[in-house]
Amino acid sequence: DSGVTQTPKHLITATGQRVTLRCSPRSGDLSVYWYQQSLDQGLQFLIQYYNGEERAKGNILERFSAQQFPDLHSELNLSSLELGDSALYFCASSVEGGGRRLDGYTFGSGTRLTVV
Amino acid sequence: GENVEQHPSTLSVQEGDSAVIKCTYSDSASNYFPWYKQELGKRPQLIIDIRSNVGEKKDQRIAVTLNKTAKHFSLHITETQPEDSAVYFCAASRYSGAGSYQLTFGKGTKLSVIP
Repeated sequence: DSGVTQTPKHLITATGQRVTLRCSPRSGDLSVYWYQQSLDQGLQFLIQYYNGEERAKGNILERFSAQQFPDLHSELNLSSLELGDSALYFCASSVEGGGRRLDGYTFGSGTRLTVV
Repeated sequence: GENVEQHPSTLSVQEGDSAVIKCTYSDSASNYFPWYKQELGKRPQLIIDIRSNVGEKKDQRIAVTLNKTAKHFSLHITETQPEDSAVYFCAASRYSGAGSYQLTFGKGTKLSVIP
């Protein structure tokens, strides 16, 4: 267990629908990152939140949105789903600040989204 | 922003041979370089990292080297085993204050170790 919790693990939904993916970061981590990974593709950065605020945006579609709540968990909302949105969605968190040594991201186990 | 190039995209080696994956980065201020291993359908996992104040780091069969002047770093796996088969990602980042930490990933190398 990496300490980063993602739910649900699997999601099957129809085109045009809306889904919400949830991520709880490791205890003490302030930053949450969302990535999309399509079949045999690399890690496409979507968005970063730090302590409740959006800090960086990548190739995130307008149909997608995210937020980070006061308890630091984050949700990624995907709407008007298309077949091409089928992918593995990873959340990662990192420790920073407070004099702690910077290390790599810790990834959750991902949510596999299938749009039919 | 940072740009990370990774080569090769696929690599096949015989069991017991060595494998080398190379990455270059563009931002000379980058100071942290992790490597991730991703097995099929699983999450990327950090396997080794190096910071800009060292040139080489080793952990059992894996090692990473960093050449800051040339802005490239490499992953070396010796005595490869079938369980080393996976996709490997390099990444680079610099940290410039709270909330500024973002890793830029390479596109990945699919390593196949042939028994």
